[in-house]
Amino acid sequence: EAEVAQSPRYKITEKSQAVAFWCDPISGHATLYWYRQILGQGPELLVQFQDESVVDDSQLPKDRFSAERLKGVDSTLKIQPAELGDSAMYLCASSLSGDTQYFGPGTRLTVL
Amino acid sequence: GENVEQHPSTLSVQEGDSAVIKCTYSDSASNYFPWYKQELGKRPQLIIDIRSNVGEKKDQRIAVTLNKTAKHFSLHITETQPEDSAVYFCADYKLSFGAGTTVTVRA
Repeated sequence: EAEVAQSPRYKITEKSQAVAFWCDPISGHATLYWYRQILGQGPELLVQFQDESVVDDSQLPKDRFSAERLKGVDSTLKIQPAELGDSAMYLCASSLSGDTQYFGPGTRLTVL
Repeated sequence: GENVEQHPSTLSVQEGDSAVIKCTYSDSASNYFPWYKQELGKRPQLIIDIRSNVGEKKDQRIAVTLNKTAKHFSLHITETQPEDSAVYFCADYKLSFGAGTTVTVRA
């Protein structure tokens, strides 16, 4: 069964450093999402792509976060500089038609 | 998310009993409502969803009901088993998630 792939699975960094996360959606899924999930809370949508275009990035802290999906397939989420409050699970999801989402295993970020 | 409220935040049930989680939404345009189950340290997984053109959907021990007039939808788990213990999230069509319900099934 096809799955969403994410790497790395775990990342520890010091504040003010740059970090990047990678996501490879299920083949053929045009819609890709990045979420941030703080422990004990629900996922919060950061950015949604339709193919290579951003559909919604209203909750993305654009002063430090950036996301791209240049060829409409895999995607990278970057944080620069990282802050202590960025420690969370970063989840990527994809969907075929924009509703049913399939989540990846996530990247657990710890900022020291 | 602020568009979806979920209750209760925690729920403890005896094995074999039923569990019900309720979510309310604010956007009248919402037409798709998924429910996700997240076990500790794992990714959220879709367990059931409902679209606004139906009022109820069942899948074995899990059912979801939708009341568009009242703007709420509920997850029903019958004959609960220990493996049902997890955090459950509702969401709306704008991908705004509820805060989650931690369900514990007591053996």
